Formats: sequence, C-alpha cells, structure tokens
Amino acid sequence: AQKVTQAQTEISVVEKEDVTLDCVYETRDTTYYLFWYKQPPSGELVFLIRRNSFDEQNEISGRYSWNFQKSTSSFNFTITASQVVDSAVYFCALLDAGNNRKLIWGLGTSLAVNP
Amino acid sequence: DAGVIQSPRHEVTEMGQEVTLRCKPISGHNSLFWYRQTMMRGLELLIYFNNNVPIDDSGMPEDRFSAKMPNASFSTLKIQPSEPRDSAVYFCASSRVTGFAPEAFFGQGTRLTVV
Repeated sequence: AQKVTQAQTEISVVEKEDVTLDCVYETRDTTYYLFWYKQPPSGELVFLIRRNSFDEQNEISGRYSWNFQKSTSSFNFTITASQVVDSAVYFCALLDAGNNRKLIWGLGTSLAVNP
Repeated sequence: DAGVIQSPRHEVTEMGQEVTLRCKPISGHNSLFWYRQTMMRGLELLIYFNNNVPIDDSGMPEDRFSAKMPNASFSTLKIQPSEPRDSAVYFCASSRVTGFAPEAFFGQGTRLTVV
C-alpha cells in the first residue's frame, strides 16, 4: 500500500530559524514521484517541487532545500532563515507511475513563523 | 498561461439546492482532479479524469455528487441536493499525468457553504 506520513502536525519557529519538515513515504513501486505543496493562509495550493524516484540529487532553491533519501524513504524539506511569509501548511505527496496515478497525500504540517 | 480557473470562488446556498462548480484546466493537460478539503478530513480526492474520461470516482461521497468533463477544457462538479455537511473548499487540479512532469496545478478553490 502507498502511504505518506508527515509526523509533524504543527511547528512553530521564530523568524530566521532553520526548520525541517519531515516526509516519509511507502510504496512498492520502483518508479514514482514525490512532491511538496504549500498552502498559505489565503488557501491556494502551490506546487513547490517534484522529485523522480530515479533522481536522488538534492535540490536547493533559494532558502528552500529538499533532501531525498531512498534508503530511508524520506523526502524532507528544509527552510533556511525562515520568514513570516513561510507560514503555511506544507503537504508532501506521492504519485506512482503505474496504472493508478492518484496522488497520495500526507496530512500536512502547519508551520508558523513568528516575528 | 492562466492556470486552472475555478468558478465561483465562493458559494453560499441553502440546504436542498443544487450547486454547480466549474473548472477550466490548463491547456494541454490531460488529467483533471476534483478535491474536497475540510478541517476534519483534510484533502480528499473525489474524482479523477484522464483524457475527459472518468477513471476513478471512488471518492465521490454519494449519489448526490456528480462530475462531468464534456471536453478537454471544461469540467463541472454538481451537488444535488446540497447538505450542510457538504460545506468545504473544493479544488480542481490538472496535470500531464502521463508525462515526466506529472505535478498537478490547482485552482484557487471554491469555498462552498451550505446553510
């Protein structure tokens, strides 16, 4: 069965702190995709990043970085020097490349960055 | 590209009334998804179309819900009759799920309130 676990329900940090959001996934497929989405207080769901199962390279985009480790089935998201605008709910999701191409979602981590 | 366009953004209706939510996917995307988001249940996939054909409607809560995709550029989600427990934010998303960039892009959502 496929599953995405975001064990951290809520995180609260002070501005400029670094914060890591954890994502652990389960799948039997050898080809799959992992995603992170951001849902700010305004409510829209914003795509942040996709990682393919055959590409374990980590990625950095500005203050955001992602650490994909197949050995631990994890795809963690780190925000460096957090800002108030980073306050949002962050979702991790899994898509298998087989016939069932439904996104499997984590329950989300609510991040509050306080000034 | 204008992104996924949903209408209306907000809908308030009385119990028993018919509600129709509309979605225009991103041009060139071959898959369309309807999601519902509530505090209690999080993000739920209601139905998924591929090339205008419903592939998986197992998430549709009951017969009061129906969805159509008459062409590649338009989809509707209808609730008839509506009930207060249908109050939620309904998201439409589209993607090129069969390609190597299968990430879904979401509309702004429709906030439905049934009183």
